[in-house]
Amino acid sequence: QSVLTQPPSVSAAPGQKVTISCSGSSSNIGNNYVSWYQQLPGTAPKLLIYDNNKRPSGIPDRFSGSKSGTSATLGITGLQTGDEADYYCGTWDSSLSAEVFGGGTKLTVL
Amino acid sequence: EVQLVESGGGLVQPGGSLRLSCAASGFTFSSYWMHWVRQAPGKGLVWVSRINSDGSSTSYADSVKGRFTISRDNAKNTLYLQMNSLRAEDTAVYYCARKEDDSSGFGYWGQGTLVTVSS
Repeated sequence: QSVLTQPPSVSAAPGQKVTISCSGSSSNIGNNYVSWYQQLPGTAPKLLIYDNNKRPSGIPDRFSGSKSGTSATLGITGLQTGDEADYYCGTWDSSLSAEVFGGGTKLTVL
Repeated sequence: EVQLVESGGGLVQPGGSLRLSCAASGFTFSSYWMHWVRQAPGKGLVWVSRINSDGSSTSYADSVKGRFTISRDNAKNTLYLQMNSLRAEDTAVYYCARKEDDSSGFGYWGQGTLVTVSS
């Protein structure tokens, strides 16, 4: 059971937009920055979003992040088949004194 | 270019031990906190442990506390994870990871090394 809650799967057609939610509590998302990761099959995770809404260099602006209260959201526009992957949210949990991740969301581009 | 290369994974019996290594290059290793994150087959990411830049402070997930020890050798630019009393549920790919400068996110990951605990 993950500390952060994500939907197991989402799907959308190519070119469309999708959002992935990440729900937590005041000890994690509510008072700490959120990051988002993309993991393609058989590869290491890749940082997409950090500090709630910032993109590392090289990440296209099709990817966006937001946070409100104890929830965060990853948005992906202009979906491509290459976006099919597992997506994870992550943050620091001040009560656990540990980094925590969501259970992951599998994105299918139909 | 930042590179993190893990090694040391393999098959070990329950109750056994294993030491993982992570060789770092392309950055000033001694300036950064380092982390281990694992992923069981078909499952999500789970943070395991972290160590500060000079090795004087460490922390662990409850699931590994008392069994795993993180350490580093800044002269060799290498991070370690000593794993003792291994259990079947420790079976996973183990990644070493580093956060980006002034960032909350893990911007650098190794390729991972697979640890399988089975008789």
